Amino acid sequence: GQQVMQIPQYQHVQEGEDFTTYCNSSTTLSNIQWYKQRPGGHPVFLIQLVKSGEVKKQKRLTFQFGEAKKNSSLHITATQTTDVGTYFCAAPSGAGSYQLTFGKGTKLSVIP
Amino acid sequence: EAGVTQFPSHSVIEKGQTVTLRCDPISGHDNLYWYRRVMGKEIKFLLHFVKESKQDESGMPNNRFLAERTGGTYSTLKVQPAELEDSGVYFCASSLTGGSPLHFGNGTRLTVT
Repeated sequence: GQQVMQIPQYQHVQEGEDFTTYCNSSTTLSNIQWYKQRPGGHPVFLIQLVKSGEVKKQKRLTFQFGEAKKNSSLHITATQTTDVGTYFCAAPSGAGSYQLTFGKGTKLSVIP
Repeated sequence: EAGVTQFPSHSVIEKGQTVTLRCDPISGHDNLYWYRRVMGKEIKFLLHFVKESKQDESGMPNNRFLAERTGGTYSTLKVQPAELEDSGVYFCASSLTGGSPLHFGNGTRLTVT
């Protein structure tokens, strides 16, 4: 089945530093979604990217979808302690499928 | 609007016992999903309901798992008999339409000893 590879698995940053997590697929994706799970919490939807080369911003978060629609990234500028958590990318498992395949997640720790 | 609620939040059972997890989706959400995260691994799809019908159950690991959604409202996921490898966090999620963003519940942490 489809796999979505996500790196890095862990990232420790000093507060104020930037952070980026990457997702890659061997197949073209119809869309990609990003979720954030705070420690002890549940995944919360952040954004969905659909168009080739799309870039969306939410305050300090920048999401990109590659031109070939096979990769995506989430970049956080000037991290804060509130950014702590695990960030997951997720994509439909196949054409017309509503089943999502999740990446393994990137666990972000922010050192104050 | 109330979110997706799951019960219980934690369950510790012995191998061979039965456990039933419950999920109440957001009111009006016809689409209900079960996902599972085993320690250190990715969140994996189990199945998808549209109203009371199983739309996709390709992720169900084996016949020890039984999901129901009678009446198209809440859903239950029964594991019988439980095995050690069933331990993990079981998430329920709902969405207004298929393919729209998922709203997750807080999950049920299942520990099989």
